[in-house]
Amino acid sequence: KNEVEQSPQNLTAQEGEFITINCSYSVGISALHWLQQHPGGGIVSLFMLSSGKKKHGRLIATINIQEKHSSLHITASHPRDSAVYICAVRSGGSRLTFGEGTQLTVNP
Amino acid sequence: GAGVSQSPSNKVTEKGKDVELRCDPISGHTALYWYRQRLGQGLEFLIYFQGNSAPDKSGLPSDRFSAERTGESVSTLTIQRTQQEDSAVYLCASSLNGGGETQYFGPGTRLLVL
Repeated sequence: KNEVEQSPQNLTAQEGEFITINCSYSVGISALHWLQQHPGGGIVSLFMLSSGKKKHGRLIATINIQEKHSSLHITASHPRDSAVYICAVRSGGSRLTFGEGTQLTVNP
Repeated sequence: GAGVSQSPSNKVTEKGKDVELRCDPISGHTALYWYRQRLGQGLEFLIYFQGNSAPDKSGLPSDRFSAERTGESVSTLTIQRTQQEDSAVYLCASSLNGGGETQYFGPGTRLLVL
């Protein structure tokens, strides 16, 4: 069992839909990161969370430390949101442990 | 520079040859990370530098892999006697202090070992 598990692995949505991607982890962490990997391969950091909730534009990330669970929400989804979304946790030192990623496709 | 840069962007080599991959982090960032992403798989941590020291090199898959960093700036990842399973995208990231803050990723080097 991976230390970081994401669901779903693949997600297809219609433009405008509300999207949720989930991340569960099995170790104690000091921070959780959500990353976005574009089709060309470039990786962008979206959020770093250690508690509560953060919002940036149409993206919202939440974390429940007691339940070892985080969610990434996208409101009013758009085709340009199509990408792989990756959850990563920092559990000791500075290294990150990554989930397998969720491939999101938003159709117009 | 404005962001993390890596070179070369693509590298094709023959099995058994050595390769060197370069990373230029964001100026002033003391922490530097190397990751690997094999085709269709998730990111794997390789090594972390704080300044010129590597306090965590636990992700290096074998003694054929080594990395160094000089001048608290450029880092080089070297793979000796490359094998086909080394084919992957090698990503470098940097962060300001290594305290778990946001990491900024480079575009990666795509390595293909024939």
